[in-house]
Amino acid sequence: NAGVTQTPKFRVLKTGQSMTLLCAQDMNHEYMYWYRQDPGMGLRLIHYSVGEGTTAKGEVPDGYNVSRLKKQNFLLGLESAAPSQTSVYFCASSPGLDLAAPFQYFGAGTRLSVL
Amino acid sequence: AQSVAQPEDQVNVAEGNPLTVKCTYSVSGNPYLFWYVQYPNRGLQFLLKYITGDNLVKGSYGFEAEFNKSQTSFHLKKPSALVSDSALYFCAVRDGGYQKVTFGTGTKLQVIP
Repeated sequence: NAGVTQTPKFRVLKTGQSMTLLCAQDMNHEYMYWYRQDPGMGLRLIHYSVGEGTTAKGEVPDGYNVSRLKKQNFLLGLESAAPSQTSVYFCASSPGLDLAAPFQYFGAGTRLSVL
Repeated sequence: AQSVAQPEDQVNVAEGNPLTVKCTYSVSGNPYLFWYVQYPNRGLQFLLKYITGDNLVKGSYGFEAEFNKSQTSFHLKKPSALVSDSALYFCAVRDGGYQKVTFGTGTKLQVIP
């Protein structure tokens, strides 16, 4: 059982380049999330999805787009990367509003540097 | 809006001593509260949660947390710290009716041998 898998693990971009981060989960979870982690700021929610075909904005959505075409995958896109997007990105999933297990499962992260 | 505060950036404790990592929260509805741990270069791992019931919640690796509604706190505790407990700890809150989770800024726990 792989859980939540993020690819790639590391990436270096030049300002203005685009890229897509892939998150895949094999737990049949309804909900998926993208966070960014920056020193002293904890985790901030970028976008999230409550089911296949749905997406919603989080706290810091500007400069990012997402898609959830398949239940198991949640893609995070940067159309024109900026140095301010240098961060560690985490994907998470959860089974939904199940009272017994509403916590999130996290991937190992993608470390992105934008030069 | 919901929020979480972790007032200490770092907590240092000697191995074998009890440890406490503080967390306070604010939500409009019933809170779901969580603690996660992050080891270097890893994702967050779930430690424990409070949804309802007993105010003292027990979790993984000997950790426990005490929910205090009047003080809106959810402090993480362990009776005897281990060097291997050294990591970054995050408190998180979710308003019971919603799926968005808000994380604190994290507290670095350093257990000194």
